[in-house]
Amino acid sequence: EAQVTQNPRYLITVTGKKLTVTCSQNMNHEYMSWYRQDPGLGLRQIYYSMNVEVTDKGDVPEGYKVSRKEKRNFPLILESPSPNQTSLYFCASSPGLFSYNEQFFGPGTRLTVL
Amino acid sequence: GQQVMQIPQYQHVQEGEDFTTYCNSSTTLSNIQWYKQRPGGHPVFLIQLVKSGEVKKQKRLTFQFGEAKKNSSLHITATQTTDVGTYFCAGRDGGTSYGKLTFGQGTILTVHP
Repeated sequence: EAQVTQNPRYLITVTGKKLTVTCSQNMNHEYMSWYRQDPGLGLRQIYYSMNVEVTDKGDVPEGYKVSRKEKRNFPLILESPSPNQTSLYFCASSPGLFSYNEQFFGPGTRLTVL
Repeated sequence: GQQVMQIPQYQHVQEGEDFTTYCNSSTTLSNIQWYKQRPGGHPVFLIQLVKSGEVKKQKRLTFQFGEAKKNSSLHITATQTTDVGTYFCAGRDGGTSYGKLTFGQGTILTVHP
């Protein structure tokens, strides 16, 4: 089944404890992206990747890191989480940018930083 | 940077009434996408508009892209309870930051039977 998977789905952690949220897609998509969703603010793009080894900042990159070593995986790293990073996180992928580029979203990761 | 404003934030309708949500971008867009998110779910792609003045229909849903490619709308005719959810527009920058996608704040639609 074509899908985007995220792990973990739920995470409660403490300030300053490094964490990684994994994202994987099995559709051979070139483009991948991370978003955070907060009430009243919609979805805000954190980072995106046009292809392997190519990443760029979205609108809210501060406090986050990403890497794209393989086409299928795009992990989101929080080196030192803070309470203002408590949010619902979505990973998404699409075939590419220069064609019909429907984004497929993962199920989401709900993160709470205490 | 690019901003996409979406209104209204909330809309409550009786089943059978029409519904419209509007998006306005501060900059010219290369294309705009629309997504629907059911309560507790993830965003699901509805459509992409690319051409100036483009109009597309999907059953009871009509999508429009403005002539200047800075605004868009989604209109639902005769809403049903299955239309409940949050509708987002998402604009792709027309300049060098082509990979950036900016979402509107979303419109939460409630349909009363």
